[in-house]
Amino acid sequence: DADVTQTPRNRITKTGKRIMLECSQTKGHDRMYWYRQDPGLGLRLIYYSFDVKDINKGEISDGYSVSRQAQAKFSLSLESAIPNQTALYFCATSSEATGGAAFFGQGTRLTVV
Amino acid sequence: GENVEQHPSTLSVQEGDSAVIKCTYSDSASNYFPWYKQELGKGPQLIIDIRSNVGEKKDQRIAVTLNKTAKHFSLHITETQPEDSAVYFCAARKRGTSYGKLTFGQGTILTVHP
Repeated sequence: DADVTQTPRNRITKTGKRIMLECSQTKGHDRMYWYRQDPGLGLRLIYYSFDVKDINKGEISDGYSVSRQAQAKFSLSLESAIPNQTALYFCATSSEATGGAAFFGQGTRLTVV
Repeated sequence: GENVEQHPSTLSVQEGDSAVIKCTYSDSASNYFPWYKQELGKGPQLIIDIRSNVGEKKDQRIAVTLNKTAKHFSLHITETQPEDSAVYFCAARKRGTSYGKLTFGQGTILTVHP
């Protein structure tokens, strides 16, 4: 969905490096999420945020941190990347007005070598 | 926490046939069940959803059914077309949790052969 933009789309980084994935949205939604997708495992929630002052851990938050810089921006950081963090990462947004639907960005493919 | 199991992991059909994907969930407090379609190189896109107060919902060639007693729900695609080929994910959300806080199934790769 073009309304949820993720950068970069692809990234290769070395083990131990810090990397930040960024997400911005023009939907005006208050809630933002980071999910990780691995083959055969579906999507798993890393972190989510209800608003700028509210950050919550998801199912698999270890090794990750997030920052909600504004209502429209939510970034995911890997402080010291490791190979098993190689995955497809998705940002999503929702609001009460969407009635439960979450809208996803195009994804960032991250490879840690 | 919630656990969602999805079957089959791959499904191959001929164009015009029907396709059915099934999911089971573990938490009886779940009350919202969306289905997402993910095409190659794109993010998941919501195609249909159902709430626990409804047993069935249709939208043109796709339908979803929900059996709360058995805790399973299914996606039905009729008259399949090659453009239906994609990965499909089911998901569940527990009552009272944030709208986008979903537990996903493992995904089904659907291939529709012309």
